[in-house]
Amino acid sequence: EPEVTQTPSHQVTQMGQEVILRCVPISNHLYFYWYRQILGQKVEFLVSFYNNEISEKSEIFDDQFSVERPDGSNFTLKIRSTKLEDSAMYFCASSESTSGQSNEQFFGPGTRLTVL
Amino acid sequence: SQQGEEDPQALSIQEGENATMNCSYKTSINNLQWYRQNSGRGLVHLILIRSNEREKHSGRLRVTLDTSKKSSSLLITASRAADTASYFCATELDYYGQNFVFGPGTRLSVLP
Repeated sequence: EPEVTQTPSHQVTQMGQEVILRCVPISNHLYFYWYRQILGQKVEFLVSFYNNEISEKSEIFDDQFSVERPDGSNFTLKIRSTKLEDSAMYFCASSESTSGQSNEQFFGPGTRLTVL
Repeated sequence: SQQGEEDPQALSIQEGENATMNCSYKTSINNLQWYRQNSGRGLVHLILIRSNEREKHSGRLRVTLDTSKKSSSLLITASRAADTASYFCATELDYYGQNFVFGPGTRLSVLP
């Protein structure tokens, strides 16, 4: 069964460093998303991406964040200068696009980011 | 309360009992989805119920949706220890397209 994969599973970084979290969405999916979950808190939407551009972003997704689909398979989230409060589990998700309908989002296993 | 808010926050039951979790939301939705998250793991999709549906079943899971009360419930029948997880409802808002708003989740513990 196709699945969303994410690498690395755990990333440890120093405050102020740049990190790139990688995701490989399901191959025939066209919509891509990033969410984060701070330990013990709820899952929060960060950004959605379609047709090589951001379609929606939350107030959390400030100028320190960027997303990219550098090739036909990867979808990345970059945090330019990490802060302690960026420590969280980051989930990638993808969904198949069908005009006029909403679709199930398939989630990856997550990357745990620890900022020291 | 927040969009997509589950209650109770934590639920502890014995194996074999039924578990009911509720979700309330504030604005109009396209659909509502329930997800499970085992500790430290990714989110697993359970059921999607559209705004024009009232009830859906999947195995031991039963989801209801009452759009007049802006609420949904997830019932797990004959619970097992393996059902121990956090359960989240996620609402797809009809003006946000495909972006979900997750509630804080219900932590279910099924004791053997």
